Amino acid sequence: GAGVSQSPRYKVAKRGQDVALRCDPISGHVSLFWYQQALGQGPEFLTYFQNEAQLDKSGLPSDRFFAERPEGSVSTLKIQRTQQEDSAVYLCASSHRGGSRNEQFFGPGTRLTVL
Amino acid sequence: LAKTTQPISMDSYEGQEVNITCSHNNIATNDYITWYQQFPSQGPRFIIQGYKTKVTNEVASLFIPADRKSSTLSLPRVSLSDTAVYYCLVGFSGNTPLVFGKGTRLSVIA
Repeated sequence: GAGVSQSPRYKVAKRGQDVALRCDPISGHVSLFWYQQALGQGPEFLTYFQNEAQLDKSGLPSDRFFAERPEGSVSTLKIQRTQQEDSAVYLCASSHRGGSRNEQFFGPGTRLTVL
Repeated sequence: LAKTTQPISMDSYEGQEVNITCSHNNIATNDYITWYQQFPSQGPRFIIQGYKTKVTNEVASLFIPADRKSSTLSLPRVSLSDTAVYYCLVGFSGNTPLVFGKGTRLSVIA
């Protein structure tokens, strides 16, 4: 049983470059979340999908951040014109639909470094 | 979502029982209490969840007093591999965003 996978695991970008981060959730999981984790901090919510619908994007820090999940499975987080403050680990998580537990299954994250 | 307060760090020797207490004074009636564990270079992993009294699984126990304004995660006989950051979260559903604090950094010493 595969868990949540993310690629790439590490990404180095020059300031101003665009990056795309991929998340493959657990098969059949309807809900998908993106979080950003700065060094020494807990993860912070970015955006949430239920199937292909983006139900909450209140955590996206700026309009340079864009997420999509066109077929309700794989999701991509895109960051345009990267800035140094975007350097962080980006975590993806998925969960069952209708789950009453706060159990989200996390991937290993993508560590983004913007130079 | 209710705010949580927990110690920034704790140290323990191998084989000891570790108790990490979390305060959540503004917990709502529908809120569950959930603990996650995070190792370096990995995403957080669900440990245990409870609503009231005591919950136990193969990894940990969770003690919740009657007023539910705090909870204690208990790890029996810790080993070096239990060195991680432990997050206490309060909320309702797996389909809502999780709100993490800074967590408690547990260091287990041989």
